[in-house]
Amino acid sequence: DAEITQSPRHKITETGRQVTLACHQTWNHNNMFWYRQDLGHGLRLIHYSYGVHDTNKGEVSDGYSVSRSNTEDLPLTLESAASSQTSVYFCASSEGRRKELNEQFFGPGTRLTVL
Amino acid sequence: KQEVTQIPAALSVPEGENLVLNCSFTDSAIYNLQWFRQDPGKGLTSLLLIQSSQREQTSGRLNASLDKSSGRSTLYIAASQPGDSATYLCAVRPWYGGSQGNLIFGKGTKLSVKP
Repeated sequence: DAEITQSPRHKITETGRQVTLACHQTWNHNNMFWYRQDLGHGLRLIHYSYGVHDTNKGEVSDGYSVSRSNTEDLPLTLESAASSQTSVYFCASSEGRRKELNEQFFGPGTRLTVL
Repeated sequence: KQEVTQIPAALSVPEGENLVLNCSFTDSAIYNLQWFRQDPGKGLTSLLLIQSSQREQTSGRLNASLDKSSGRSTLYIAASQPGDSATYLCAVRPWYGGSQGNLIFGKGTKLSVKP
């Protein structure tokens, strides 16, 4: 079955380290998204991509970067991890070729703790 | 700026009750609205997607309605079961007069169905 996976599921790191969270989908979806979820804020968009080599900043992109070298993967990199980036991170994808088919499907999440 | 509100933040009901979860949004210019379910420690599961031209969508015991002009959507759950206990999230996709925006999420309603 097609799916969207994230790795690692849990990560503890130290302030200042570079961290990369992986997202892989097997639906052949054009669109991929990264969100963070925090108590009191709900889900907020970090970065998104509408296709290979396309990336765009979301609402809370500072301190994060993404690259899209193929359809299946959109890794999220924290350049220099900060305690404020402790959160649960979700990757999502949607079909995108037809406007009516833009239902988003989510991965299981990565819980990141920055000490 | 589009804002999405879900009230109440938490709801506890006895098993078997029919219940309604509310979602309101400040700008009626939306492309679609999506309801999600999130179990503790898990990702989001898409429940229903309503296009702006539709009034409602149904899936099993779930029925979602949309009233764009009043900025409201409701998720109706019939004959609630303990397995329905989860957080329910509403998200709207803005319409910017020719292009779609990215999903904007409410903070969710945490539902507890008591046996």
